[in-house]
Amino acid sequence: GAVVSQHPSRVICKSGTSVKIECRSLDFQATTMFWYRQFPKQSLMLMATSNEGSKATYEQGVEKDKFLINHASLTLSTLTVTSAHPEDSSFYICSAATSGVLSYEQYFGPGTRLTVT
Amino acid sequence: AQSVTQLGSHVSVSEGALVLLRCNYSSSVPPYLFWYVQYPNQGLQLLLKYTTGATLVKGINGFEAEFKKSETSFHLTKPSAHMSDAAEYFCAVTPQLYTGTASKLTFGTGTRLQVTL
Repeated sequence: GAVVSQHPSRVICKSGTSVKIECRSLDFQATTMFWYRQFPKQSLMLMATSNEGSKATYEQGVEKDKFLINHASLTLSTLTVTSAHPEDSSFYICSAATSGVLSYEQYFGPGTRLTVT
Repeated sequence: AQSVTQLGSHVSVSEGALVLLRCNYSSSVPPYLFWYVQYPNQGLQLLLKYTTGATLVKGINGFEAEFKKSETSFHLTKPSAHMSDAAEYFCAVTPQLYTGTASKLTFGTGTRLQVTL
């Protein structure tokens, strides 16, 4: 399958600071990138859908001003957690996807563990 | 709208025994169906997917799944479990709609597979 990378894999930051997470699709051009959050022992919670060159679409209850998403190219999307607080500590996972007539691909990054102290 | 039900949040099998993880879906249009596996502190890895064509789909690591439209099911099986199969398994669905961008996946709540000696 395709390779999707995330950087950093783990980050610890102080409350009130901002953190940027990069998601790269290394070997295919993704029309769409998704950002998920996962709490311990739970399924993935979709935060937002990002299409290259357009504004991200956020799921209900996700603060767009807190979780800034930029999708600069077909291979790069970034998630910035602004003014992070301890409750933002979580496992964040991105994915890259493409679809066509009778085809669909979505591949996931390895995740980023964010700890806010 | 789509939904996914995974029966059994925890499944335990003996090494060498049959693995059966259940997934039922609901979709108002023909679906694409997926099984992903997640190891601790990692992202999701695609095991297999159904898009069109043959309803019995073979994936990696000896897993397979059969799309049964009449039963709205996509159960995951493996003839003989291995210790390395212990992980969290997620079933997901998305509609077969080509719009130029990839639609989001709807995930089940996951099934934790335990493999015992």
